[in-house]
Amino acid sequence: QKEVEQNSGPLSVPEGAIASLNCTYSDRGSQSFFWYRQYSGKSPELIMSIYSNGDKEDGRFTAQLNKASQYVSLLIRDSQPSDSATYLCAVLPGGGNKLTFGTGTQLKVEL
Amino acid sequence: DAGITQSPRYKITETGRQVTLMCHQTWSHSYMFWYRQDLGHGLRLIYYSAAADITDKGEVPDGYVVSRSKTENFPLTLESATRSQTSVYFCATRVQGTDTQYFGPGTRLTVL
Repeated sequence: QKEVEQNSGPLSVPEGAIASLNCTYSDRGSQSFFWYRQYSGKSPELIMSIYSNGDKEDGRFTAQLNKASQYVSLLIRDSQPSDSATYLCAVLPGGGNKLTFGTGTQLKVEL
Repeated sequence: DAGITQSPRYKITETGRQVTLMCHQTWSHSYMFWYRQDLGHGLRLIYYSAAADITDKGEVPDGYVVSRSKTENFPLTLESATRSQTSVYFCATRVQGTDTQYFGPGTRLTVL
């Protein structure tokens, strides 16, 4: 069983809609959670980090964490064509140095 | 301020050859990482380093060698390249005490 699981997509949403990206993880000791965005042919860039249960908002992005369900999600409001990319979920175990990445979800925002 | 640079950006080599991928940072981040990215596998950690002269294995270290004699450089060597090592390789850094990793632009390696 993969440690961090994501639906590979593609997830298609119309411009202006809310995109919802989901991620589950297997290590209950995980303490830090991250969402990276990766455009085709480019390197990953960090867009959100979350450490506590609940929601964390940053502009159009909201990360949600539920440690009991071992579930982390990313909501993108008012989706734009420029949001079209692959979104990688990453998890860091408590006290650890090694990030574990999911395989990513491809998001397509259509005009 | 270039941050993280990787060289070469593209490399084609043949099976059995030795290849070294370079990673250089202009910051003084303690941690440096090497990942490979393959379709269906996502990003997988090869090796990482917590400081100069301190390295440790990641998820997929076999066939790779690293060294870190200076804080700013973290070369990755494929001692005898195999086709299965065809991949995109990313270097990343992290400041000690924080969780944020910064990625370099990547090196696309093809082993024929």
